[in-house]
Amino acid sequence: DAGVIQSPRHEVTEMGQEVTLRCKPISGHDYLFWYRQTMMRGLELLIYFNNNVPIDDSGMPEDRFSAKMPNASFSTLKIQPSEPRDSAVYFCASSDNSFYLYGYTFGSGTRLTVV
Amino acid sequence: DAKTTQPPSMDCAEGRAANLPCNHSTISGNEYVYWYRQIHSQGPQYIIHGLKNNETNEMASLIITEDRKSSTLILPHATLRDTAVYYCIVRVGNTPLVFGKGTRLSVIA
Repeated sequence: DAGVIQSPRHEVTEMGQEVTLRCKPISGHDYLFWYRQTMMRGLELLIYFNNNVPIDDSGMPEDRFSAKMPNASFSTLKIQPSEPRDSAVYFCASSDNSFYLYGYTFGSGTRLTVV
Repeated sequence: DAKTTQPPSMDCAEGRAANLPCNHSTISGNEYVYWYRQIHSQGPQYIIHGLKNNETNEMASLIITEDRKSSTLILPHATLRDTAVYYCIVRVGNTPLVFGKGTRLSVIA
C-alpha cells in the first residue's frame, strides 16, 4: 500500500492566484481529513468527509477555501484567491471505520508558500 | 480545543527510557487516550491508544492512571530517531483528532 498520497509536495504561488492541493486516500478508507499546520496555530482540522460526503467543514477558515471529494479515491482542497497568511503545510489523512482503534494515516503534506 | 496538558519540551539521553506525561483531568468515561508523534517535516504518526488498561506495542507503552486523569507514554530505549513532537489526544468514538501543542522530545547522544 502506497499510503496517503498528496501532491504537490511543495507549491509556491503569488498572492491572488488559485491553488489546488490534491489527496489520494488509502484504498478502502472511507474517512478523509484535511488539516493545516502553522507555527502559530499548530495542527488544525479544516474539513472531513465520510463516504465522499462532507461531514464537518467548520474549520475551513473562510469562503476562499473549498474542498471536494468527487469519488472515494480523490479529494481536492482549493484556495481562491490565495493570500500570504495561507502559507502553511496542508496534510491529508484517511481512515476506515476502525479509526477509533488505530487512528488515521497521514500523508506527507503539501508545503504551500504564498508570496 | 485540546483537552490535554503536556510539557512543551523534554530531553532524554539516547538508550534511556523516555517518559512523556499527559494530563487529561476532564476525560469522560468513553474517551480514549491516543498518542501520535510528528517527526520534522512529516505527517503525524499513530503510536498507541488506550481506554483504561495499560497498553504495549512494538513502539511504546501507555500507562493510564486508575482515575484516568493522566497518562504516560514510555519509549523504553529512546534513539535519535525518536526526536519528534509527541501529541496526547483524548477523543470519543469516531470524532476527529484535535491536536494540541504536544511535547517536543529531544533525544541526545
